[in-house]
Amino acid sequence: DTGVSQNPRHKITKRGQNVTFRCDPISEHNRLYWYRQTLGQGPEFLTYFQNEAQLEKSRLLSDRFSAERPKGSFSTLEIQRTEQGDSAMYLCASSLWDADTQYFGPGTRLTVL
Amino acid sequence: GENVEQHPSTLSVQEGDSAVIKCTYSDSASNYFPWYKQELGKRPQLIIDIRSNVGEKKDQRIAVTLNKTAKHFSLHITETQPEDSAVYFCAASIPVGGSSGGGADGLTFGKGTHLIIQP
Repeated sequence: DTGVSQNPRHKITKRGQNVTFRCDPISEHNRLYWYRQTLGQGPEFLTYFQNEAQLEKSRLLSDRFSAERPKGSFSTLEIQRTEQGDSAMYLCASSLWDADTQYFGPGTRLTVL
Repeated sequence: GENVEQHPSTLSVQEGDSAVIKCTYSDSASNYFPWYKQELGKRPQLIIDIRSNVGEKKDQRIAVTLNKTAKHFSLHITETQPEDSAVYFCAASIPVGGSSGGGADGLTFGKGTHLIIQP
């Protein structure tokens, strides 16, 4: 499968715990995006990378959230001290640096108890 | 920042009829407008997109129109089939760095339209 992949697909955690998600983009794609989607809503942009550089962060990305893409390939999204309001589907997407089209991964569904 | 409004939230049509979903955007700098289809529990999948230098684009039963002056764009699905049932999202983005070159900033999505095709 050469599409965007995300792991884990599901994560259940207790409030206050830290969680980390991984995204592997399509191999030749330089840009990588993170979105959050809650039930009945459209995806909301969180942040994106061009290669290893984090170019934009939404105000939705509180200081408990951090994203990295150290080698310009896969990316991780960490949430510290999770809250029940963090429960959502976290989607990753990737694109070529000079193209608009973003291809989405299957998402990681986070449930915070 | 950009704001995208989408209507209706739910649309029920008879199989074989046409469906139209409408979106408006607020930032005149936006120049890329994709439409995604999302089935329950699955990833959003791009079905068609349009750029601001084009007024209309068609791909078989699906078409998108864009009115830059009014800042609205619409998805048209003709001859609807049961497999068209899903949630459809419109989105908008501005070019990276505000240039007209390739590459887009993060997408701003509408709230989605649940399309139901009645047999």
